[in-house]
Amino acid sequence: EVQLLESGGDLVQPGGSLRLSCAASGFIFSSYAMTWVRQAPGKGLEWVSAISGTGDSTYYADSVKGRFTISRDNSKNTLYLQMNSLRAEDSAEYYCAKGSGGYARGLELWGQGTLVTVSS
Amino acid sequence: QSALTQPASVSGSPGQSITISCTGTSSDIGGYNYVSWYQHHPGKAPKLMICDVNNRPSGVPDRFSGSKSGNTASLTISGLQAEDEADYYCSSYRNTKIVVFGGGTRLTVL
Repeated sequence: EVQLLESGGDLVQPGGSLRLSCAASGFIFSSYAMTWVRQAPGKGLEWVSAISGTGDSTYYADSVKGRFTISRDNSKNTLYLQMNSLRAEDSAEYYCAKGSGGYARGLELWGQGTLVTVSS
Repeated sequence: QSALTQPASVSGSPGQSITISCTGTSSDIGGYNYVSWYQHHPGKAPKLMICDVNNRPSGVPDRFSGSKSGNTASLTISGLQAEDEADYYCSSYRNTKIVVFGGGTRLTVL
């Protein structure tokens, strides 16, 4: 079955760190760019970061640049998001998504999300 | 990084047609044909409805269509059905090598 399964969401204190994972199955993972998108409570979708199929190219929203790092392990069919220096405004449901082509094009497959709460 | 501009809400009766607009700039919508539209039912994963301005992924009903004129993209839903009630988001590639979403539009089927 073609699916994405996120994990790693948790309650963390401001300034803390967290690593999210996204396990992919049912498709050739290394052939597709992958993206993280988040949705804060009561807010809209926000693009966070993307990575090419090989992992050689990465892209970040200004709001997370320098604090978050996207990576992938194609041998494990897994996408990661390392989040450091977390702030209250990073609290959100985090979704991983598979691009239909390059990262700039539509996101055709989404996971169910993992919840990150940043609070003291 | 400002989001693309969408109306907060639209509504229509079953069987009618509605259009949701998404306004950006020449740096995103106006400069590239990488506009996508997503349907999001609360508590579920978003679903891709339109990509590359006007392409429907397999399985998306042909009641959904996309278009673009200048810096504004549009999603039209014809023959509204109760199950179309959801939040809709546009997105576009921007020349700074990022992707931006619109603020979202809540569609109510009366």
